[in-house]
Amino acid sequence: SQQGEEDPQALSIQEGENATMNCSYKTSINNLQWYRQNSGRGLVHLILIRSNEREKHSGRLRVTLDTSKKSSSLLITASRAADTASYFCATDPLSGGYQKVTFGIGTKLQVIP
Amino acid sequence: EAGVTQFPSHSVIEKGQTVTLRCDPISGHDNLYWYRRVMGKEIKFLLHFVKESKQDESGMPNNRFLAERTGGTYSTLKVQPAELEDSGVYFCASSQGGTAANVLTFGAGSRLTVL
Repeated sequence: SQQGEEDPQALSIQEGENATMNCSYKTSINNLQWYRQNSGRGLVHLILIRSNEREKHSGRLRVTLDTSKKSSSLLITASRAADTASYFCATDPLSGGYQKVTFGIGTKLQVIP
Repeated sequence: EAGVTQFPSHSVIEKGQTVTLRCDPISGHDNLYWYRRVMGKEIKFLLHFVKESKQDESGMPNNRFLAERTGGTYSTLKVQPAELEDSGVYFCASSQGGTAANVLTFGAGSRLTVL
């Protein structure tokens, strides 16, 4: 079964509002990543948070990680129409790079101009 | 730097036919992954190569799917014979491997439609 499960599955907001997406996972992780997929394209890496970090920022993105609850959230502030896409969390289960990265079903975000 | 390239971008075949998807990862990336997304569902892991070796193929649906990565460079995923439920978008991704953080670079995907 897949590791990450995003919530909500769909989200529609007005431009300028903030968007929050949540992710839950099941097993211990080395890091957790968020990716974005625009329609018809491949996934693009947004941000990585390590298991010993609690919060990370990158531009308008803010990611939190709670390993005790096995959950993460992605906040996009001051959303833009161009942020319309599907967002996925992905878990890297063990240290090193030779482990499979698993994804969830994603959150489909629509930002209305 | 060239990204991850997948070919074909879209393939339409009839049930029972064979299709081969190709993925060219970023040069020097040891890890190569195949994923599949069926309409609106999760991005399902299929398998993982480390160089030319299959590290994990636990996600391969059945023996109609065969993946290879000869010489540890490009990879192919062959579906033979194709069934209707094989339709979906097949994504390939690569990453550096080793102790580096395992950030994946994805190709644009190969959309497979089985009629």
